[in-house]
Amino acid sequence: AQSVTQLDSQVPVFEEAPVELRCNYSSSVSVYLFWYVQYPNQGLQLLLKYLSGSTLVKGINGFEAEFNKSQTSFHLRKPSVHISDTAEYFCAVTKNTGFQKLVFGTGTRLLVSP
Amino acid sequence: DTAVSQTPKYLVTQMGNDKSIKCEQNLGHDTMYWYKQDSKKFLKIMFSYNNKELIINETVPNRFSPKSPDKAHLNLHINSLELGDSAVYFCASSQGDTSGNTIYFGEGSWLTVV
Repeated sequence: AQSVTQLDSQVPVFEEAPVELRCNYSSSVSVYLFWYVQYPNQGLQLLLKYLSGSTLVKGINGFEAEFNKSQTSFHLRKPSVHISDTAEYFCAVTKNTGFQKLVFGTGTRLLVSP
Repeated sequence: DTAVSQTPKYLVTQMGNDKSIKCEQNLGHDTMYWYKQDSKKFLKIMFSYNNKELIINETVPNRFSPKSPDKAHLNLHINSLELGDSAVYFCASSQGDTSGNTIYFGEGSWLTVV
C-alpha cells in the first residue's frame, strides 16, 4: 500500500518570500505523485503531477515540485508567494499501474501574510 | 459552467435519517469517484465507477450506496446516518480509470449529522 506524509501541518510565510511544502511517500512499487490545492470552502484543484520523465515538474500559479526517488520525496516550491496562495495543499500518491486510487496526505495549510 | 457539480452543498440532518447527495459532471469523463474528507481534513476514497460499473469500494459501510444511472452522474445515498458520517463529501471525475489520470473535484457537500 502507498502512504503520504506531510510533516508540516501549517506553514506561515510573508508575501513575496519563497516557500517549500514537504511531502514524503512510502510505496513498494513505482508511483505517480500529485499536488492539489484547496481554497477555503472549495474543491481540490490539481497544481501539478509527476508521471515520468524530468523530475522537476512545473505546475500552475508558479508552483513546481521535484521528484526525488532516493529520498522518496516530492516537495512543492514557489519562489515568491502571494496572499492569494493562502490555502490547504495536499500531496497524493498512486501506484503507477491499475486503477486510479489517490492516497492523500493530511495536508499543509499555507498562510501568507503581508 | 461548473465541471463537477454536487447538490446539496450543505446538509444538516438528524441521526437515523436517510439522505442523498447528487453529483453530475459535464466533462464527458467515464470515471467518477466519491471521496470523504473528515474533520481533520484527511481525504480518503470511498468509491470509484467506470462506465457505470463499480471498480473500487474501499470498505465503506454498506449504509453507503452509490448509484450511477449514467456516466455523467454518480449519486451517494446514506442510510441510518450516524454522527461519524459528518464530513465533507467530494465527487470527482476523470477520463479513464487508470492510474495517473487527472482527477477533477467538485466543490464538496458539507454533511452535518446532529
